[in-house]
Amino acid sequence: QVQLHESGPGLVKPSQTLSLTCTVSGGSINSGSYYWSWIRQPAGKGLEWIGRIYTSGSTNYNPSLKSRVTISGDTSKNQFSLKLSSVTAADTAVYYCAGGQVVLAGIDALDIWGQGTMVTVSS
Amino acid sequence: DIQMTQSPSTLSASVGDRVTITCRASQSISSWLAWYQQKPGKAPKLLIYKASNLESGVPSRFSGSGSGTEFTLTISTLQPEDFATYYCQHYNSYSCTFGQGTKLEIK
Repeated sequence: QVQLHESGPGLVKPSQTLSLTCTVSGGSINSGSYYWSWIRQPAGKGLEWIGRIYTSGSTNYNPSLKSRVTISGDTSKNQFSLKLSSVTAADTAVYYCAGGQVVLAGIDALDIWGQGTMVTVSS
Repeated sequence: DIQMTQSPSTLSASVGDRVTITCRASQSISSWLAWYQQKPGKAPKLLIYKASNLESGVPSRFSGSGSGTEFTLTISTLQPEDFATYYCQHYNSYSCTFGQGTKLEIK
């Protein structure tokens, strides 16, 4: 059974780069049968999709965050990562990594989620 | 960008009730819609994918319907563990958008 676990600093200073890693266990990040995503949720608010990466290395990003986001994969460590630059207090949120299946017609919904990690942007 | 609008934002109901949550897309999304349940402090859990397909292990009291721009999530007989926040999500190979959520509260 595939499991996901987020890790990274819980506190980031304004204007710096937020960096998080999602470790995939019980399966290979490079299997081709899954794509991998990042989603965030500010306290008391809804879910916001950040972006995704496919096995091929291709990525899609939320247009509202695209200029600041990079998602990459490390097959040697079975991990994928999120970098969000020039952060402000508005980037304070719980960050989730998640995975969904690649299907013939494209992709399917996110059926695997990490437990989430809280990131606070503050000086 | 496709916008997803859920209604209502809050729903008060009692155990045993039948409830329906609606999600509308700003343009046709065919059946590329999922529903998630989220409880406080927990990650979202997939309930329904491709508008009407029940995820494995999800109780059959949950059902989804719709296509195009209007979708519904129905819980046929509310159980105590169903009080949570529900999100719809449009997904395709290029993008993804969540609805703003519907909080299901105990009346």
